[in-house]
Amino acid sequence: DSGVTQTPKHLITATGQRVTLRCSPRSGDLSVYWYQQSLDQGLQFLIQYYNGEERAKGNILERFSAQQFPDLHSELNLSSLELGDSALYFCASSPQVAGGSDTQYFGPGTRLTVL
Amino acid sequence: GENVEQHPSTLSVQEGDSAVIKCTYSDSASNYFPWYKQELGKRPQLIIDIRSNVGEKKDQRIAVTLNKTAKHFSLHITETQPEDSAVYFCAARKTSYDKVIFGPGTSLSVIP
Repeated sequence: DSGVTQTPKHLITATGQRVTLRCSPRSGDLSVYWYQQSLDQGLQFLIQYYNGEERAKGNILERFSAQQFPDLHSELNLSSLELGDSALYFCASSPQVAGGSDTQYFGPGTRLTVL
Repeated sequence: GENVEQHPSTLSVQEGDSAVIKCTYSDSASNYFPWYKQELGKRPQLIIDIRSNVGEKKDQRIAVTLNKTAKHFSLHITETQPEDSAVYFCAARKTSYDKVIFGPGTSLSVIP
């Protein structure tokens, strides 16, 4: 167990709908990252938050948005869902303080199926 | 932007043999290189990492080497076992405040 939690574990929804994925980082970790992993694909970086502020953006669609709250948990919002959005969505966290560990710890993932 | 390439994309070895996976990175400012193992349907898990001030690091059957001049790093697994079968991802990062760039992954199969 990495200490990073994600809910829900599975999500099945229809095209055009909107869903919210939730992530709680390890205690004390300030940074949260979101990744998308489609079937047999690599880890596509979506977005990074550090202490509530957006830090870096990857190939995140305009239909997707995220935020990190004061308690450091993060939510990834996916709207106008398409079949191609079906994937495993991972959240990862790291301490990211000067001189601290660089290690990212991944949550168990949310498997999203769009029908 | 930063790019990480990884080879081979698939690798099959006999149990007990060694496996080597190689990665190259494009940004010479990168200074942290982790390796993750992902079993089917599970989360990626860090198995070993190396920083740019170190040329080699070993942890039991796993070792990583780094050549900063050539901008490449490699994962070596000795005495492979069936439970080593998984997808392995290399990655690179500049500072602890930057995003981690992942390679496309290597699917390793260890044949009993």
